Amino acid sequence: DVKVTQSSRYLVKRTGEKVFLECVQDMDHENMFWYRQDPGLGLRLIYFSYDVKMKEKGDIPEGYSVSREKKERFSLILESASTNQTSMYLCASSSEGRGKLFFGSGTQLSVL
Amino acid sequence: KNEVEQSPQNLTAQEGEFITINCSYSVGISALHWLQQHPGGGIVSLFMLSSGKKKHGRLIATINIQEKHSSLHITASHPRDSAVYICAVRYNFNKFYFGSGTKLNVKP
Repeated sequence: DVKVTQSSRYLVKRTGEKVFLECVQDMDHENMFWYRQDPGLGLRLIYFSYDVKMKEKGDIPEGYSVSREKKERFSLILESASTNQTSMYLCASSSEGRGKLFFGSGTQLSVL
Repeated sequence: KNEVEQSPQNLTAQEGEFITINCSYSVGISALHWLQQHPGGGIVSLFMLSSGKKKHGRLIATINIQEKHSSLHITASHPRDSAVYICAVRYNFNKFYFGSGTKLNVKP
C-alpha cells in the first residue's frame, strides 16, 4: 500500500520554539508538497519540491522553510513558532505529469 | 479570485438519496482530482480525471473540459459517506488549485 507518512499526528509547542515536521513517501515521487489547512480557508500551499534539494515557495511561505536532502523525505521547519501558525499541516506527494495526489494523515500543530 | 469554485458548500441528505457536488474552474488544467476528507482524518484521492467519466462503486465523477466543469455523484448515499469533498485541479505541471470543499452530512 502506497504511503505518505507524517511523523506526528498532534504536536504542542511554545511560542519561539523551532519546530520540525517530517514527511516520508515510499512511492519514489518527484513532487512533494506542504500545505496548511485552516477552517474557511481551505488548503494553502506553503512550499513544494520537485526534486532533491529543489524547492519553490508557495502562497504562504513566510515563517517557514523546507529541506529535501533525500527524494523520499521532505521536512517543514518553523524557525520560530508563533501562535498564528497553529494549524493542520498536510504533506502530499505526486509523480510527474498527471499522477494522483497522495496525502499524509496530517499534523495538528498547536503553538501556545 | 478563486480559480476553483465548488457548490454547494454544505449539503445534508437522507440515507439513500442521490447526491451531486459541482466544481467549476477557470484555468487550463492537465487533470482534475476529487478528494475526500473524513473528520479529523487525512485526505484520500477518489478520482483523477482528464476527460469523460469514471466510476468507483457508488461514486461517479464526470468532467466537461470545454465547459470547465466537473461533478461528483454519489448514488444510494450512506452515513459513512459523510465527509468533506474537495475538488482540485492540476495546472502548470506541478501545481494544484483547491476548492474550498463541500461538507456532506448523510443522515440515517
